[in-house]
Amino acid sequence: DTGVSQNPRHKITKRGQNVTFRCDPISEHNRLYWYRQTLGQGPEFLTYFQNEAQLEKSRLLSDRFSAERPKGSFSTLEIQRTEQGDSAMYLCASSSNRATGTDTQYFGPGTRLTVL
Amino acid sequence: AQSVTQLDSHVSVSEGTPVLLRCNYSSSYSPSLFWYVQHPNKGLQLLLKYTSAATLVKGINGFEAEFKKSETSFHLTKPSAHMSDAAEYFCVVSVDNNDMRFGAGTRLTVKP
Repeated sequence: DTGVSQNPRHKITKRGQNVTFRCDPISEHNRLYWYRQTLGQGPEFLTYFQNEAQLEKSRLLSDRFSAERPKGSFSTLEIQRTEQGDSAMYLCASSSNRATGTDTQYFGPGTRLTVL
Repeated sequence: AQSVTQLDSHVSVSEGTPVLLRCNYSSSYSPSLFWYVQHPNKGLQLLLKYTSAATLVKGINGFEAEFKKSETSFHLTKPSAHMSDAAEYFCVVSVDNNDMRFGAGTRLTVKP
């Protein structure tokens, strides 16, 4: 399967713990996006990378959230000192702006986080 | 600011009957518009997209949508529903591809 992959698929943690999620984009895609989806809502944009550069991070939910893409390939999203309100599905998407026309974002299956 | 409003949180149809999922958008600029589908335990899949070319856009699995600027609408239709169409559908507006705004979603139920 050459689609976007995310690990783990499920994460249960206790309040106050740190968690890290990984996203592996489609191999030729240079853009990578993180979203959060809460129950009954559409995905909410958090941040995105072009290659290794994080070009938008103002919409990360708080300073407890951070993301990296050190080599322009896979990315990690870390949440420090988790709170119960962080419980959600975290989605990753990738796209290529080298293609002509409007680039399409391809989504992974998501990581479901439950904070107890 | 840009946003979308999906007018129905839940739509129920019988198999073989038409599907209509409604979406209105708000955008200060010429938008790109998308419909994505989300099946349980699967990733979001692009159904179709509008990017200022033809106003009637055909997508996968028999779905299509029509961009109507005067009505600021981008409704999704399918002539005949199939059981496998049951899923959550999201309308999305984007001015900059890096700023995609999703609607709250419409859950489609297909009855046998």
